[in-house]
Amino acid sequence: QKEVEQDPGPLSVPEGAIVSLNCTYSNSAFQYFMWYRQYSRKGPELLMYTYSSGNKEDGRFTAQVDKSSKYISLFIRDSQPSDSATYLCAMYAGTYKYIFGTGTRLKVLA
Amino acid sequence: KAGVTQTPRYLIKTRGQQVTLSCSPISGHRSVSWYQQTPGQGLQFLFEYFSETQRNKGNFPGRFSGRQFSNSRSEMNVSTLELGDSALYLCASTPPRETGYTGELFFGEGSRLTVL
Repeated sequence: QKEVEQDPGPLSVPEGAIVSLNCTYSNSAFQYFMWYRQYSRKGPELLMYTYSSGNKEDGRFTAQVDKSSKYISLFIRDSQPSDSATYLCAMYAGTYKYIFGTGTRLKVLA
Repeated sequence: KAGVTQTPRYLIKTRGQQVTLSCSPISGHRSVSWYQQTPGQGLQFLFEYFSETQRNKGNFPGRFSGRQFSNSRSEMNVSTLELGDSALYLCASTPPRETGYTGELFFGEGSRLTVL
């Protein structure tokens, strides 16, 4: 069993929809939780970073962490075609090592 | 400020050969990490270097090695290439903790290796 599970998609939604992306993890020692966005032929870039359970909002993006359920989510409001990318969840496992989900491919249709 | 630079961007090798990939971190970043990205496995941690010292290593065979130079530039080497080594190899640098470390990895665009 992988330490971090993420549905690979692809997920297709119409422009303006609310998108929900999720990851589950098995190691309760994970401390920091991140979401990265990766466009085709590019490296991942950090979208959101959270430490504790709860919600964190940044513009159209909301990151949610539920440590008791070992479940994290990223919500995208008013999705745009430019949001079409692969979204990777990541967790800091300690000793300078990050564990990534396999990524969810999102396509927002105009 | 220039981002993380990786060279070469694309390369094709045959089984049994070796390859060296290079990474120049963002100026002022002293921690460099390497990840292998494949469609089935996602990003997998290879190793992390700081001040020329490897501080952690992922679960990869000894054919995968790396080093860091005094200017923080890093190289990784894969010897005796196998078909399964075909992947995107990503390098990431991390800002120093005293600048308000957020755990952010700044990634380069990667080196795409194809092994035939």
